[in-house]
Amino acid sequence: IAGITQAPTSQILAAGRRMTLRCTQDMRHNAMYWYRQDLGLGLRLIHYSNTAGTTGKGEVPDGYSVSRANTDDFPLTLASAVPSQTSVYFCASSTLVGTGELFFGEGSRLTVL
Amino acid sequence: QKEVEQDPGPLSVPEGAIVSLNCTYSNSAFQYFMWYRQYSRKGPELLMYTYSSGNKEDGRFTAQVDKSSKYISLFIRDSQPSDSATYLCAMSDGGGSNYKLTFGKGTLLTVNP
Repeated sequence: IAGITQAPTSQILAAGRRMTLRCTQDMRHNAMYWYRQDLGLGLRLIHYSNTAGTTGKGEVPDGYSVSRANTDDFPLTLASAVPSQTSVYFCASSTLVGTGELFFGEGSRLTVL
Repeated sequence: QKEVEQDPGPLSVPEGAIVSLNCTYSNSAFQYFMWYRQYSRKGPELLMYTYSSGNKEDGRFTAQVDKSSKYISLFIRDSQPSDSATYLCAMSDGGGSNYKLTFGKGTLLTVNP
C-alpha cells in the first residue's frame, strides 16, 4: 500500500535518552516534513526537507534533528529527550508544488518520563 | 493575533444536521485554502482544496473562501456519524514550499446517530 510509514507507533522513553523516529514514503515525493501535534496547540512544523540532501527548520526545531540521505527516508532524532517532547509526531510528504496537499503518516506517540 | 484562528469546539450535532466549520486568518498573502479531516489516532487527510475566493463542492461537502473577509468555511450537509472527526483548516501563500502551510488548531466534530 502506497503512502507513509512511521515507526514506532508508540514509545515510552526515559528523559535523557536518545530516540529516532523513522519515516519512509514510497510515493517518490520530493518534500518531507515532521510535525508535532499537541492538545490546544495544533500541528507545528519541526523540520522539513524539500529535496534529498537538504533540510530546514520549522516553527519548533529545538531539541530535534533530521537527515535526508535519500528521497524515501526522513528520520527525526531526539538527542536527549525531555518531558516537553511528549507528543504525537506526524511525518508527511508532498510534491514541491505549493498547493498544500500533504500526505500524512499514522503518527508516532511518544511519552518522555 | 494568530495567523489562523479556528474554534476548537467541541461541536456535537445530530445525524442529518448541516454542519458549519470556520476559520479566520490575518495573512492576506494566503491563496490556497484546505480542509483536512483527522480521525481519532490517525493522521490528517486532505478533504477539500480551493484556490483564491469562491466555492467548491464535493458531494456533501462545500468549501467557501471569502478573501475580502479573510474567512473560510466548510459545510457538511446530511452529516453522518462517520463524519465524526477533527477538522483542520490550512492555508498557504502558494510560494512553492509547503513548509509554509499554516494550520488551524482543529475543530472536533461529533455526529450523533
